[in-house]
Amino acid sequence: EADIYQTPRYLVIGTGKKITLECSQTMGHDKMYWYQQDPGMELHLIHYSYGVNSTEKGDLSSESTVSRIRTEHFPLTLESARPSHTSQYLCASSEGSIAEAFFGQGTRLTVV
Amino acid sequence: KNQVEQSPQSLIILEGKNCTLQCNYTVSPFSNLRWYKQDTGRGPVSLTIMTFSENTKSNGRYTATLDADTKQSSLHITASQLSDSASYICVVSDRGSTLGRLYFGRGTQLTVWP
Repeated sequence: EADIYQTPRYLVIGTGKKITLECSQTMGHDKMYWYQQDPGMELHLIHYSYGVNSTEKGDLSSESTVSRIRTEHFPLTLESARPSHTSQYLCASSEGSIAEAFFGQGTRLTVV
Repeated sequence: KNQVEQSPQSLIILEGKNCTLQCNYTVSPFSNLRWYKQDTGRGPVSLTIMTFSENTKSNGRYTATLDADTKQSSLHITASQLSDSASYICVVSDRGSTLGRLYFGRGTQLTVWP
């Protein structure tokens, strides 16, 4: 089991609410990622970080924001949730470009 | 355009049988190729990772092969078990950037019947 944790596992929330998805890893990895995955579809990179105070947008445009104040913590925030944000969000970390990427269990978000 | 294509999209086999999943990619410059197993509602778990110089790698009943010349990989599952039912995702990374961008296939949904 990889030491990367996401909370909550499931979240149902009303439109317009602000939410934060948590992701923490205890492996000391510099690189962390957020992916969005719809059922039966491939993962799409929405945010990544090379290290503390480094954040970049990924390939898929997302209204979410991220922060990296500590190496082990990479939270994702949606200021105003909409039904179009309903999806599974997966956090991952890796040590280097050739190293294995470890994934969290994911957060399944439903916005009603 | 960097892409990863997997086939078949879905596969049903009987418990105890073998199967082979395919992955073709166009990612360049190539860094490594990984196979992940993703159970429904969970995050992907790594099965194998192969670099350019590696042709085959095993992890228990899972054996991955890589032909970097034809840009093809396969994942062979031997003596399938019910717990093998999952989505198997081929992931290729490039070395054109510090990040080592990951390119994901859509996965092959494997169902093992008793």
